[in-house]
Amino acid sequence: ETGVTQSPTHLIKTRGQQVTLRCSSQSGHNTVSWYQQALGQGPQFIFQYYREEENGRGNFPPRFSGLQFPNYSSELNVNALELDDSALYLCASTEWGDRVRGYTFGSGTRLTVV
Amino acid sequence: EDQVTQSPEALRLQEGESSSLNCSYTVSGLRGLFWYRQDPGKGPEFLFTLYSAGEEKEKERLKATLTKKESFLHITAPKPEDSATYLCAVLNNQGGKLIFGQGTELSVKP
Repeated sequence: ETGVTQSPTHLIKTRGQQVTLRCSSQSGHNTVSWYQQALGQGPQFIFQYYREEENGRGNFPPRFSGLQFPNYSSELNVNALELDDSALYLCASTEWGDRVRGYTFGSGTRLTVV
Repeated sequence: EDQVTQSPEALRLQEGESSSLNCSYTVSGLRGLFWYRQDPGKGPEFLFTLYSAGEEKEKERLKATLTKKESFLHITAPKPEDSATYLCAVLNNQGGKLIFGQGTELSVKP
């Protein structure tokens, strides 16, 4: 089975620009979530999509938005980039149900805002 | 507020020296507690899911246990390749938000 793949692996953007990060979820998974991980910290939940609808959101401003597509792949969009947005962005997928076995994470996109 | 705290922040062991990592949590309705391993610059790699107090899971040199307030990751006779950051996370019954601790950075010297 294929795992979670993210693109691009690295990205450098200028403050104020917009960025789109992409994720292909693991085969058989219907739920995808996004996390932001600063250096030396645990990942912070941004939001989750289940069957193309957002079903959970963390403490991130509206300039962080996302989409999930019918094939369960997903995008994370960040508008008006700030220096503090520099981080590793992780995508994770799972099969949502009464018993969540575990989330499979991708290798992440390293975003640097200058 | 749901919260996860891991200790110690960093742990240095000699090869073969067994030890335990701690994950203390408060959560409004536990749906699952997850352990991950993360290597530098990589995404977290799934290790275990525990669902209820008293449950234990094992994989090679790792064993995870769960009580109502904390989880332990026991590492028996570690090897240098076990060096990584170990993350603990909880999933509550209010949606899909995984709440992570800050991680324990484990270093195993030969």
